[in-house]
Amino acid sequence: ETGVTQSPTHLIKTRGQQVTLRCSSQSGHNTVSWYQQALGQGPQFIFQYYREEENGRGNFPPRFSGLQFPNYSSELNVNALELDDSALYLCASSLEQGVGGYTFGSGTRLTVV
Amino acid sequence: AQSVAQPEDQVNVAEGNPLTVKCTYSVSGNPYLFWYVQYPNRGLQFLLKYITGDNLVKGSYGFEAEFNKSQTSFHLKKPSALVSDSALYFCAVRGLSGYSTLTFGKGTMLLVSP
Repeated sequence: ETGVTQSPTHLIKTRGQQVTLRCSSQSGHNTVSWYQQALGQGPQFIFQYYREEENGRGNFPPRFSGLQFPNYSSELNVNALELDDSALYLCASSLEQGVGGYTFGSGTRLTVV
Repeated sequence: AQSVAQPEDQVNVAEGNPLTVKCTYSVSGNPYLFWYVQYPNRGLQFLLKYITGDNLVKGSYGFEAEFNKSQTSFHLKKPSALVSDSALYFCAVRGLSGYSTLTFGKGTMLLVSP
C-alpha cells in the first residue's frame, strides 16, 4: 500500500508568479484535502475534492484553485503569488471524505520572494 | 464552526516521566478526534484517533488519549516519555457530516530532556 506522495518537495517562486503543486493519493482513497501551514502555525484547510468535485473550501481567495483527476490524484494551483503564500502545503487523502481518518504527505515547502 | 484549542505552546518533561499534551474542542454533534505529530520539515504523522467506542484510545509509539465528552477534551498521554518523542503535536477535530473537514489546533511543542 503506497502512501501520499507530494511533489516537488521544495520550490522558490517570485511574487506574482503562478505555481502548481501535485499530490498522489494513497491507493483506494477517493478524497483529497489541501492544507496550508505557515511557520509556527497549525495547518489551515484550503479545500477538499471528493470524486473529482470540490466539496468544501476554507477561507482562501479564488486564486487558490485545484483539480482532482480520475485516478484521484490532485493539483493545487496558486496564481499571483504573494509573499504571505510562503508556507508548507500539505495534501491529505482519505476514504469517503475523511471517514476513518486522513493520511498526509510530507508536504511541499513553497518560498515566495 | 468547529475549533480546537491547545492551551500550551510548549510542554517540557524529563525522559522516563509521564507526559500530557492538552486539547479541547468544539464541534456540532459527536466528534471525530485525531492526534498527529510533526518532526522538523516533515509532514504530519498519524498517532491515534477517536471515532466511537472506548474513551481511552491507544495509538502508535505508546501514546494514548482520553476522550472526555463532558469536558470536550482529548488529552494526549504517554506513561514514560522518550527523548525521541520531542516534536510538534497537533490535535484535530471534524464533525460526522460528510461535508465536515479537519480543523487543527495551533500545535504544542513537546521537549523531552535526557
